[in-house]
Amino acid sequence: EADIYQTPRYLVIGTGKKITLECSQTMGHDKMYWYQQDPGMELHLIHYSYGVNSTEKGDLSSESTVSRIRTEHFPLTLESARPSHTSQYLCASSYPGRDTEAFFGQGTRLTVV
Amino acid sequence: AQKITQTQPGMFVQEKEAVTLDCTYDTSDPSYGLFWYKQPSSGEMIFLIYQGSYDQQNATEGRYSLNFQKARKSANLVISASQLGDSAMYFCAMREGWGAGYSTLTFGKGTMLLVSP
Repeated sequence: EADIYQTPRYLVIGTGKKITLECSQTMGHDKMYWYQQDPGMELHLIHYSYGVNSTEKGDLSSESTVSRIRTEHFPLTLESARPSHTSQYLCASSYPGRDTEAFFGQGTRLTVV
Repeated sequence: AQKITQTQPGMFVQEKEAVTLDCTYDTSDPSYGLFWYKQPSSGEMIFLIYQGSYDQQNATEGRYSLNFQKARKSANLVISASQLGDSAMYFCAMREGWGAGYSTLTFGKGTMLLVSP
């Protein structure tokens, strides 16, 4: 069982609110990722990190921001939530290397009303 | 261009039968890894199987095997003896390149598998 945790599991929030989605892992992985996924659709990479103080934007443009102050923690923040941000957000982590699988958290299902 | 193509939006199979889920990929990098993940309706992503581009043999993990055809750039997932619990979305993914600081996982659009009794 993977030791990567996301909170909250579900979030319904009003337009304009600031939100932070939490992601923590206890495996000591340097690499962490955030993916966005609409129901029944593919995963799109929105942010990733190679380690502490490293953050990069992914393939899909996102208004969210991330930080990596500690190895185990990779939170995602939306300064002003909009209905278009409604989606599932999946956090993942992995060791460096071509053949290492990514371990995923259970996801946060965000609904902005 | 799509790096990972899964052409089957949905597949149906009867319990205890085998099923093949298709995946083709596009890369010019000689070093890459291919992954399959399962996503049940609860939403979490479960790693199933991995195949490296230099692996000589097809990967197997229990009821899962990967039919790797490098020249065709295909990495099909074969599930033997399907079970009702196999009903889920299945994603093929690829990671390219060498070294610790390179690429991320790129996913296909997925195939929904439904197993009937």
